[in-house]
Amino acid sequence: GAVVSQHPSWVICKSGTSVKIECRSLDFQATTMFWYRQFPKQSLMLMATSNEGSKATYEQGVEKDKFLINHASLTLSTLTVTSAHPEDSSFYICSASDTGPQHFGDGTRLSIL
Amino acid sequence: RKEVEQDPGPFNVPEGATVAFNCTYSNSASQSFFWYRQDCRKEPKLLMSVYSSGNEDGRFTAQLNRASQYISLLIRDSKLSDSATYLCAVSYSGAGSYQLTFGKGTKLSVIP
Repeated sequence: GAVVSQHPSWVICKSGTSVKIECRSLDFQATTMFWYRQFPKQSLMLMATSNEGSKATYEQGVEKDKFLINHASLTLSTLTVTSAHPEDSSFYICSASDTGPQHFGDGTRLSIL
Repeated sequence: RKEVEQDPGPFNVPEGATVAFNCTYSNSASQSFFWYRQDCRKEPKLLMSVYSSGNEDGRFTAQLNRASQYISLLIRDSKLSDSATYLCAVSYSGAGSYQLTFGKGTKLSVIP
């Protein structure tokens, strides 16, 4: 149980493109979803916390207009990286939680050329 | 001081060895503690939660020392498949909804 699906797994696109990443909880309803970013050899850094039906809470230093989060249902959250640039290249991971531990999606490797 | 600190390693150990990792946390209000395993270029997978009384799952033992604010993970009889990066994670209720703070991870390589 507690399966979280993230799509796409890998994205390569040109600078200036907007990229949408989906995160779905497949077998449970996720009260809260989290979006992380991980640069090579670095820890997972929380970007934002998202509760269904309300605005996401962004961590300090994360631009909410750059990283748009939508959490329209208890099983789906999306992260859109708007006008992506090479410095946005990273491993983006979502996680979902009902009231217990977080369960992670497979991650999305984003490469901006 | 960083919120959650781990020795990055790498720890290179032979098969069958016992290896231990420590993780320190700075927020004394922390309430929940976890060890995750992350394979190269993959998402973290929950290995085990850490309880105040200590807990064991097969070859893995986790312990919590609230007074000194650290958690530990002991792996006995290491297998090649244990090679991975081990992340400790800490949460506190003030952050809401099990929001986790991760350490950078400790890399373990088990050698034949």
